Amino acid sequence: KAGVTQTPRYLIKTRGQQVTLSCSPISGHRSVSWYQQTPGQGLQFLFEYFSETQRNKGNFPGRFSGRQFSNSRSEMNVSTLELGDSALYLCASTPGIVAGELFFGEGSRLTVL
Amino acid sequence: AQSVTQLGSHVSVSEGALVLLRCNYSSSVPPYLFWYVQYPNQGLQLLLKYTSAATLVKGINGFEAEFKKSETSFHLTKPSAHMSDAAEYFCAVNSGFQKLVFGTGTRLLVSP
Repeated sequence: KAGVTQTPRYLIKTRGQQVTLSCSPISGHRSVSWYQQTPGQGLQFLFEYFSETQRNKGNFPGRFSGRQFSNSRSEMNVSTLELGDSALYLCASTPGIVAGELFFGEGSRLTVL
Repeated sequence: AQSVTQLGSHVSVSEGALVLLRCNYSSSVPPYLFWYVQYPNQGLQLLLKYTSAATLVKGINGFEAEFKKSETSFHLTKPSAHMSDAAEYFCAVNSGFQKLVFGTGTRLLVSP
């Protein structure tokens, strides 16, 4: 079974631009979560989607948004990029049997210049 | 609110020595606790989980952790370190649906 796939793996943007990151969950997993990982703030929860509905949201500004499609694939978008948005963005999926048992992708590393 | 604290940002051991990574939790409800491992340039992989069944939990790669309510701890151990164990380890607590609150991580260094 294929794992969680995130694209692109690496990208460079400049301040003020926007970016869209994509996540394909493991087949059969209906829940997709996003996390931001930075050296300073560590791993922080962004949001979780289940059956196309946002079920939980972290403490991030409105520039961070996401969505989930009917095939469970998910995208997250960051608008008006700031230098501090440079991070590894991790997507995780789960069948939801055990709360918190997540299967992570390898991440999308965003650099904002 | 649920939280976890990992003591020690770096732990160094020799190959074959005991590995002990410390995690203390704070939770207003019986917690679900997890240890995840991250190898360089990779995502996180679940090592083991505590979901209020047995207090001693065994995971992959020879790791185990013991839930101690009286000490609010969930320390990760492995009897004998291997070079391949070098990675960053994160303790986490579930905070509603699939939201995890992670600790700051402990980097395990293994020397020959």
